[in-house]
Amino acid sequence: DQQVKQNSPSLSVQEGRISILNCDYTNSMFDYFLWYKKYPAEGPTFLISISSIKDKNEDGRFTVFLNKSAKHLSLHIVPSQPGDSAVYFCAASAQYGNKLVFGAGTILRVKS
Amino acid sequence: DVKVTQSSRYLVKRTGEKVFLECVQDMDHENMFWYRQDPGLGLRLIYFSYDVKMKEKGDIPEGYSVSREKKERFSLILESASTNQTSMYLCASKKGGQAYGYTFGSGTRLTVV
Repeated sequence: DQQVKQNSPSLSVQEGRISILNCDYTNSMFDYFLWYKKYPAEGPTFLISISSIKDKNEDGRFTVFLNKSAKHLSLHIVPSQPGDSAVYFCAASAQYGNKLVFGAGTILRVKS
Repeated sequence: DVKVTQSSRYLVKRTGEKVFLECVQDMDHENMFWYRQDPGLGLRLIYFSYDVKMKEKGDIPEGYSVSREKKERFSLILESASTNQTSMYLCASKKGGQAYGYTFGSGTRLTVV
């Protein structure tokens, strides 16, 4: 039973356009959400996060939106760059707990 | 530069062998984790440790055990390797009491033949 779902296995976007990666969750106890980026042969690296008391968090080209009523969050990358091509994982945590639950990941390809 | 170091990048082991995967962190983090990454399944938590000599089962602990004798080192043990344990194994650490600040190692690609 996947508590964090990324239903799009892959996404292809033209350089300069917006990339939108989606994530849904089922556990209403989750109160902290994170996005990680992973290149081949490397470990995941932290990208951006959002607390459940907010609905938006922005960091440069990256913005995360949270819709608690829909149990949905999304990551927007604008403008997309070829170096953004990677696997993106959505993750969630309950009550600042010590465990993160990850989604299956979305492969983003940014074409130049 | 803070680091989580996994001892092997690639390993090939035979079915039935006992396998040790080692992870060392230099950040004095209390919490350490072992995940496996499989296509279409994402990262799944095998075991984690809040502190030295403490361990908790994650979501898929069957066939694995762990050891944490020192704060900086967290070992994953496959008691009797099987082909369904072929996977990418990722170690991570973080400070206790917060949901962020995970640092991951580069991973160990284990193939069981």
